Amino acid sequence: DIQLTQSPSSLSASVGDRVNITCRASQDISIYLNWYQQKQGKAPRLLIYAASSLQGGVPSRFSGRGSGTDFTLTISSLQPEDFATYYCQQSYTALYTFGQGTKLEV
Amino acid sequence: QLQLQQSGPGLVKPSETLSLTCIVSDGSITRSNYFWVWIRQPPGKGLEWIGSIYNSGTTNDHPSLRSRVTISVDNSKNQFSLDLRSVTAADTAVYYCVRGTSSGYYTFFDSWGQGTLVTVSS
Repeated sequence: DIQLTQSPSSLSASVGDRVNITCRASQDISIYLNWYQQKQGKAPRLLIYAASSLQGGVPSRFSGRGSGTDFTLTISSLQPEDFATYYCQQSYTALYTFGQGTKLEV
Repeated sequence: QLQLQQSGPGLVKPSETLSLTCIVSDGSITRSNYFWVWIRQPPGKGLEWIGSIYNSGTTNDHPSLRSRVTISVDNSKNQFSLDLRSVTAADTAVYYCVRGTSSGYYTFFDSWGQGTLVTVSS
């Protein structure tokens, strides 16, 4: 299995902050990396696919970059609705795996 | 607008079979660029992919669950299903049905059902 390690596991931030969440893969996965947002009690929502492509309807303050083993999700200016848990997920193999999640808190 | 509507019991006894069904509202279940997925999330924990089924009928399952999992599709009813046999308390989780999309070389999970909390308990 390809292991994904996110850092940090939790993060305290304020509205207006710029936030970076990192995802590291256990092997080279090119750009086969997706990001999801999950709010408490809700299903996850796709934010970014193929490392840097913004899913339709997702605000432009969300961006992704990276390739190989190191990836970053950036929120340029935190909004109140962005406080949630974020997961990375690899699609390099069809044995899909997720990172352990990063909880973004006030 | 696609909706994935899940159904199934919220309580299953140990050693029995967990069965869930997901109806695909827009009839896209046979489109070649989509595949159908089950993902679960134990309480307070992260996401775990269970398995996928493709239009060809081919399935792909998590190795740790493979011996207990069956994923099937019924195109005439626009639905796909999960059976997980011989459940234990460790299978207690919110189960999601999900649409996988293939866009060129890339795949991602872009539509999710509402989730079903399944508790394994006697």
